[in-house]
Amino acid sequence: EAGVAQSPRYKIIEKRQSVAFWCNPISGHATLYWYQQILGQGPKLLIQFQNNGVVDDSQLPKDRFSAERLKGVDSTLKIQPAKLEDSAVYLCASSPPGQQSSGANVLTFGAGSRLTVL
Amino acid sequence: AQSVAQPEDQVNVAEGNPLTVKCTYSVSGNPYLFWYVQYPNRGLQFLLKYITGDNLVKGSYGFEAEFNKSQTSFHLKKPSALVSDSALYFCAVRDWGGSGGSYIPTFGRGTSLIVHP
Repeated sequence: EAGVAQSPRYKIIEKRQSVAFWCNPISGHATLYWYQQILGQGPKLLIQFQNNGVVDDSQLPKDRFSAERLKGVDSTLKIQPAKLEDSAVYLCASSPPGQQSSGANVLTFGAGSRLTVL
Repeated sequence: AQSVAQPEDQVNVAEGNPLTVKCTYSVSGNPYLFWYVQYPNRGLQFLLKYITGDNLVKGSYGFEAEFNKSQTSFHLKKPSALVSDSALYFCAVRDWGGSGGSYIPTFGRGTSLIVHP
């Protein structure tokens, strides 16, 4: 099966500019996640979707970050305006239905989008 | 909140020797624990998980992990390390919370495994 697709792979912007990342999950995967991975740290969940509804966005800096998952398939994560501390790899992951309610679901990750803010 | 800790930033081992990457957890209730591996410039890949049952869990690429309730640990092991095992390893736990009230996969900070030829 095709994996989780993400684009762009690399992006360099200046602070206060905006950027958008795109993710296409594995077909049939109902749950989609966006994680932020800062160098030397583990992935931190930003937002979790179940189909096209938001399940959790408690760690999303809503003053500058936004995400949507129209039609319950692909998703876009936007940062506007970017700050230096937003430099990180943004990982998208998806998981199939059936195990989400128990927390036993296995995530499949994309390769990530590396953002550098100058 | 549930959490995992990976006490070692880096583990060095010679090829052919056994390896252990440590993880301890802090949860209330029954822990669901996972290990993922991240190769350079790649996303995380699932290795194995413990939900219930046998304390020794076998996973991909010859890895296994032992769930120890008394020590609240879930260490990742492999009997004979390969140079190609060099990567970042992340322990994860299901956590409950967030604005929507759901299970959230929460990751440790990661351990860099370096296998020397």
